[in-house]
Amino acid sequence: GESVGLHLPTLSVQEGDNSIINCAYSNSASDYFIWYKQESGKGPQFIIDIRSNMDKRQGQRVTVLLNKTVKHLSLQIAATQPGDSAVYFCAENFFANDYKLSFGAGTTVTVRA
Amino acid sequence: DTAVSQTPKYLVTQMGNDKSIKCEQNLGHDTMYWYKQDSKKFLKIMFSYNNKELIINETVPNRFSPKSPDKAHLNLHINSLELGDSAVYFCASSQARTGLNYEQYFGPGTRLTVT
Repeated sequence: GESVGLHLPTLSVQEGDNSIINCAYSNSASDYFIWYKQESGKGPQFIIDIRSNMDKRQGQRVTVLLNKTVKHLSLQIAATQPGDSAVYFCAENFFANDYKLSFGAGTTVTVRA
Repeated sequence: DTAVSQTPKYLVTQMGNDKSIKCEQNLGHDTMYWYKQDSKKFLKIMFSYNNKELIINETVPNRFSPKSPDKAHLNLHINSLELGDSAVYFCASSQARTGLNYEQYFGPGTRLTVT
């Protein structure tokens, strides 16, 4: 399953399929990006990050892709599991604004059994 | 061990009251934050403190006043509560962004309901 366009509030994906969550960021000067996962009733939890000098970074079952030309970030989740059901946020930061993370609107991922 | 903790987890109060939310982190971080998450899940930063010094103060009504007694604690006091203050408030902490990582660690949130 994939969220298309700039942002789609919800994404429904079959268990075992790959998920792609898209995010358009706002500041061309941003040089650091993070994906967070927020499960129901909990705080956001770090998934993976990427710096602007990279275009791809892989973690455990997750891959983040960065396209600076179009200011686009995506999170790919391989073999989606029921525990992946959550709201996913992208966040951006640029070093001149050392402490401030700007969050995008979240995408709710629902995994179908 | 809880890295970032907040109390209370739920807070129900009436309009006009004054309330406080407390936050503590045991990660040794220098920087702490308060975020507000609205009903549409949008997360917006409110305040940030670095070593007890206020460094981010977004456009927030002055009814909201953060206080940092030490770098492990950041409390949020809200005066004259209004219906629109109903939201989930998250505390977070991080190191300053001097290295490769700039991960912010979030607390479990405080759901504030103003009636």
